[in-house]
Amino acid sequence: GDSVTQMEGPVTLSEEAFLTINCTYTATGYPSLFWYVQYPGEGLQLLLKATKADDKGSNKGFEATYRKETTSFHLEKGSVQVSDSAVYFCALSDPTSGTYKYIFGTGTRLKVLA
Amino acid sequence: DAGVIQSPRHEVTEMGQEVTLRCKPISGHNSLFWYRQTMMRGLELLIYFNNNVPIDDSGMPEDRFSAKMPNASFSTLKIQPSEPRDSAVYFCASRTQTGGNYGYTFGSGTRLTVV
Repeated sequence: GDSVTQMEGPVTLSEEAFLTINCTYTATGYPSLFWYVQYPGEGLQLLLKATKADDKGSNKGFEATYRKETTSFHLEKGSVQVSDSAVYFCALSDPTSGTYKYIFGTGTRLKVLA
Repeated sequence: DAGVIQSPRHEVTEMGQEVTLRCKPISGHNSLFWYRQTMMRGLELLIYFNNNVPIDDSGMPEDRFSAKMPNASFSTLKIQPSEPRDSAVYFCASRTQTGGNYGYTFGSGTRLTVV
């Protein structure tokens, strides 16, 4: 079945460092891919999305490119801030499968130090 | 738009008691999902509804768990009887059904503690 694999956390960075959180997926169809962010004590929020190969999603300085050839959707940010400390989830949804549920990765905790 | 509204935000109950969690999805969203989040198991999909009809409840852990969606603006997740291992954060999420390109909107969750 479909699945999402994220890099293990936690990831600890200094402020203004470059961030990469790896995400790879397995899907039989043509999924849409998402990154969600969860701040402490809150629900998950959609950060960005990409719906087809080579699409780049971006938001709040974060970006991720849908790479079909490597089945990846890595999250990047050029300069992280303390306020980016959160848990990040990669997810996929495959509308061609006939279901409406999303598959989430296990989450990667990011801690940014001042 | 007030977003997805869950209540209560926190619930502490004794083992064996019945617990009811509530969710109001975003108006116009016709898919609703219940998730459970724990440190050990991460984010687990329990059940989801399309147009108020349960589609997949394979994630419901056991018969003690039940969920209903009597109308498009309200859903409940009930645990009876509750056990300490049910302690978790329970999230409700909603989205439009049309296509797979739309993200979920999550509620703020209900933190359940069973003692």
